[in-house]
Amino acid sequence: AQTVTQSQPEMSVQEAETVTLSCTYDTSESNYYLFWYKQPPSRQMILVIRQEAYKQQNATENRFSVNFQKAAKSFSLKISDSQLGDTAMYFCAFMKPNSGYALNFGKGTSLLVTP
Amino acid sequence: DVKVTQSSRYLVKRTGEKVFLECVQDMDHENMFWYRQDPGLGLRLIYFSYDVKMKEKGDIPEGYSVSREKKERFSLILESASTNQTSMYLCASSTSRFGLAGANYNEQFFGPGTRLTVL
Repeated sequence: AQTVTQSQPEMSVQEAETVTLSCTYDTSESNYYLFWYKQPPSRQMILVIRQEAYKQQNATENRFSVNFQKAAKSFSLKISDSQLGDTAMYFCAFMKPNSGYALNFGKGTSLLVTP
Repeated sequence: DVKVTQSSRYLVKRTGEKVFLECVQDMDHENMFWYRQDPGLGLRLIYFSYDVKMKEKGDIPEGYSVSREKKERFSLILESASTNQTSMYLCASSTSRFGLAGANYNEQFFGPGTRLTVL
């Protein structure tokens, strides 16, 4: 089974600053998908950003971008201009196509954005 | 908007009870999932289903079963609840049909969760 490691259980950043959340994964597959999900306090999990492994270009979604290093099996999330509403648990997840499309999640990073 | 609903936000049951957790999605998704979320452990897959009446075990299926009689509904069953099943349970759905999903291809949409306490 694929393993996903998030080495930072908790992080803190000041409003308007930039923060990077790290994620590494272990797989022997060449084709797969990677995701970052966000779970705000007492609210539903939502997708932040997605990366297909066959795409070399790093995905971006407004203030959120990833640094995808396939050879290093690294998939970090950068949040620019952090906002108070970014306070949440962030989960990195791996999906192998044709495996039922289930996700393997990391243990999560709790991000606190302070004024 | 995709909507995934779960029958209860909070549930308290006693050891040995049979517990049903219900999940309904309204976007004609063929894939549905049950995860368990515990602090420090992240989300772990219990069971998933890629079609009506089809089910596959995830990483931690012991003590659980599932039922999918209709495409929109996926039920998680605790046959005999135990205290170590106290947890947050999250349901999710997705589609792998690119024509239906477009940019949401393979994105999982989550319900609000059911926090189950077994006494």
